[in-house]
Amino acid sequence: DQQVKQNSPSLSVQEGRISILNCDYTNSMFDYFLWYKKYPAEGPTFLISISSIKDKNEDGRFTVFLNKSAKHLSLHIVPSQPGDSAVYFCAASGSGAGSYQLTFGKGTKLSVIP
Amino acid sequence: EPEVTQTPSHQVTQMGQEVILRCVPISNHLYFYWYRQILGQKVEFLVSFYNNEISEKSEIFDDQFSVERPDGSNFTLKIRSTKLEDSAMYFCASSGPRGEKLFFGSGTQLSVL
Repeated sequence: DQQVKQNSPSLSVQEGRISILNCDYTNSMFDYFLWYKKYPAEGPTFLISISSIKDKNEDGRFTVFLNKSAKHLSLHIVPSQPGDSAVYFCAASGSGAGSYQLTFGKGTKLSVIP
Repeated sequence: EPEVTQTPSHQVTQMGQEVILRCVPISNHLYFYWYRQILGQKVEFLVSFYNNEISEKSEIFDDQFSVERPDGSNFTLKIRSTKLEDSAMYFCASSGPRGEKLFFGSGTQLSVL
């Protein structure tokens, strides 16, 4: 049961261009969405998040867009840099009582080509 | 910058043995979590812990698993009798009072032989 789906396992982008990573979800109870970046042999590192009351959140080169009606979010990285090469995980949570467990997608491996 | 620390980084054990994975969450955080990632698969939730008790657990977290916060700083995951399919990277995470943003440790790679 994939409640959070990242349908592209990999993406290659030229340095300086825009990277767009996509994520779809099925659970209407999700109200908080996060993107994590993961390098090999390291834990996921928080990148950017968005609450369901917003449709856009921007932090430097990173922008997350949320389309609630389509249950879709995307992460834009512009301009892309070789250091951005990593696996990107989309994650979602619903603010239930007691904890904020995250449901992760399978990840998209981004390769930024110099 | 504060970080979540996990030890050991690698653990090799024989099937049927008990293992304890250790974590030191960020000091002012209130929520603690264990996740795991089997090679080639997605990161999966195991358990969350708040106010000295389990708040949520997944189907993976069966009777062979337990968590403990033995003192004010450590958070441990115990697997009582390991199985081959327990081989995975185990991540500890913690989050602050608002809870939503989780900070992850670097993980413990558990190999069950």
